[in-house]
Parts: sequence; C-alpha cells; structure tokens
Amino acid sequence: QQQVKQSPQSLIVQKGGISIINCAYENTAFDYFPWYQQFPGKGPALLIAIRPDVSEKKEGRFTISFNKSAKQFSLHIMDSQPGDSATYFCAASIHNTDKLIFGTGTRLQVFP
Amino acid sequence: NAGVTQTPKFQVLKTGQSMTLQCAQDMNHEYMSWYRQDPGMGLRLIHYSVGAGITDQGEVPNGYNVSRSTTEDFPLRLLSAAPSQTSVYFCASSYRIRPYEQYFGPGTRLTVT
Repeated sequence: QQQVKQSPQSLIVQKGGISIINCAYENTAFDYFPWYQQFPGKGPALLIAIRPDVSEKKEGRFTISFNKSAKQFSLHIMDSQPGDSATYFCAASIHNTDKLIFGTGTRLQVFP
Repeated sequence: NAGVTQTPKFQVLKTGQSMTLQCAQDMNHEYMSWYRQDPGMGLRLIHYSVGAGITDQGEVPNGYNVSRSTTEDFPLRLLSAAPSQTSVYFCASSYRIRPYEQYFGPGTRLTVT
C-alpha cells in the first residue's frame, strides 16, 4: 500500500508553543521520509528529511522523530513562530524509484 | 540559477480545450515530475521522467500527456480539459541520487469552466 496518512488536517498553536504533526505509513519499501513546507502561493520546499535507520533528526527548531516498528514519524516545531504558519506535508520515497508519496498536508497557524 | 520555472501562473480554459503547461529547470536534474494539488488531497503525482526520452505514469495520469526531449524541459499537455482538472499544478525536479529532495516550481493555477 503506497500511502502516507497525515494528521491533523489543521493545527492552531500559540506563539512559543510546540507544533506536532504526525504521519503513518504501511509500505516498508519506503527509504527516506522528508517533510516539506509550503507558504501560500508558493511551491513546497524541503524542510528536513530522515532515513529509517535514524530515530531522530534535529535542525534548529524542527525535529523529526521516527518510530520504525510503529511505522510512524512526526514533525515537532519547537518555540513555534507566526512565520512558521504554512502547510506542512510529510512524504516518503520508494526505494529504488524516484517517486515521492505525499501525505494530505497540515495547515499550521501560529498566533501571536 | 532560476531553479524550476513554470508558465503560465494562471490559466482559465473552457471544457474541451487543450493546452500545455510549461516547466523548465536549470539545475541539470535527471528527474522531473508533475503533481496536482487539490484541497484535502495533498500532492498527487501525474507523470514523471528520469531522463530525456523516458517518461512514466504516476498516480493520476488520465487526461494528461508528457514528453521529455531535453534534460531541461518537461511540458504537461491537457488533451481535452475537464472541470475535474481544475487544480494547482506543480512541476518538480531532483537528482536521482537524492529523490527525497525535490525542487518545486511556483505552480500554475488552472480553472476549467
């Protein structure tokens, strides 16, 4: 099953809070798990990516946590800022192909 | 580097009309792809190409054609537009060794009436 399920669909967080977005997958042939950030009127842009042999990856305020046994991964945004307000997509790349499968997206709004 | 460019930005078509969405990249990426983005559906892969002369179907290919005659260009053709093709279309490209790092264009918003 080549699907990535993402939740929640929308998220409202106060400035300084932690934003958490979750994704789950079935296909064990996925070999990279990137997160993309999309601002209104723009194309998505790669934010951070993780391999399945790593349980956590941190870049600044953004952290991916990966649970291989549960087939779940999540994005944590620490100290959320109004500038983080965007739509976030999780994705998975299929091993030995060039294809990315995207989740359905989470619209994050951070209020001051 | 211009990155990935798409034209036009906006387009309105009548049902049954045909048109071509243009996509170009100047990063010498082997892989190029087209996605459509609809509310609540995420990004769905329409067609993709791993090099000049090689194309393949993605998740939602019906009603669309592609060709790749050069590394740089990857146009998407709508053969006979239908209201169900109203969407935002994104072109993306990447190196084959880093397929998870795709660079997206700014998108084309298409409305079919």
